[in-house]
Amino acid sequence: EADIYQTPRYLVIGTGKKITLECSQTMGHDKMYWYQQDPGMELHLIHYSYGVNSTEKGDLSSESTVSRIRTEHFPLTLESARPSHTSQYLCASISRRTEAFFGQGTRLTVV
Amino acid sequence: GENVEQHPSTLSVQEGDSAVIKCTYSDSASNYFPWYKQELGKRPQLIIDIRSNVGEKKDQRIAVTLNKTAKHFSLHITETQPEDSAVYFCAASKGPSGNQGGKLIFGQGTELSVKP
Repeated sequence: EADIYQTPRYLVIGTGKKITLECSQTMGHDKMYWYQQDPGMELHLIHYSYGVNSTEKGDLSSESTVSRIRTEHFPLTLESARPSHTSQYLCASISRRTEAFFGQGTRLTVV
Repeated sequence: GENVEQHPSTLSVQEGDSAVIKCTYSDSASNYFPWYKQELGKRPQLIIDIRSNVGEKKDQRIAVTLNKTAKHFSLHITETQPEDSAVYFCAASKGPSGNQGGKLIFGQGTELSVKP
């Protein structure tokens, strides 16, 4: 079944660690986005991609980086995690009609 | 860039009443306006959308209206039920416009509570 998958669902790590949040979709979409969201709060666009080798920073400043080497895969990396990075990270795959399909999210806690 | 303002931030209604959530956008080139529903602990899901070539769209108990001149659009839910309780997000985009279709920018969200 075509879907979008995020791993891990929950992650608790120590300050200064490097982490990569995984996002994969099997819907064949070119556009993929990363949003940061505190529970029940605003969705902040932090990165987006229009296709392979295309990545742009979103409207919310983020210390994370992304890569898009394959259409299906859009991982997000934090080189040195800090407590201020504690949040939920939602990956979305965008159809040609601009409908966003969201993953289940990764809830990150940095201690 | 595009900015989307959403009001109110919280809304409480009695079961059976109507609920209205309003959004305004800044970029007059925006032409696609979706609404997403996010239940507690779940991912946002599209419930209805409208494009700039129409002024109103309805799907059973939900409807969306668009006023391009005033740059605002609204979500209307009639005969509300407890299962309508969730956070609702509006969004605006200039997409699709070719391969570089616009970003999807969300409003701040409205927490709707429907009391039985």
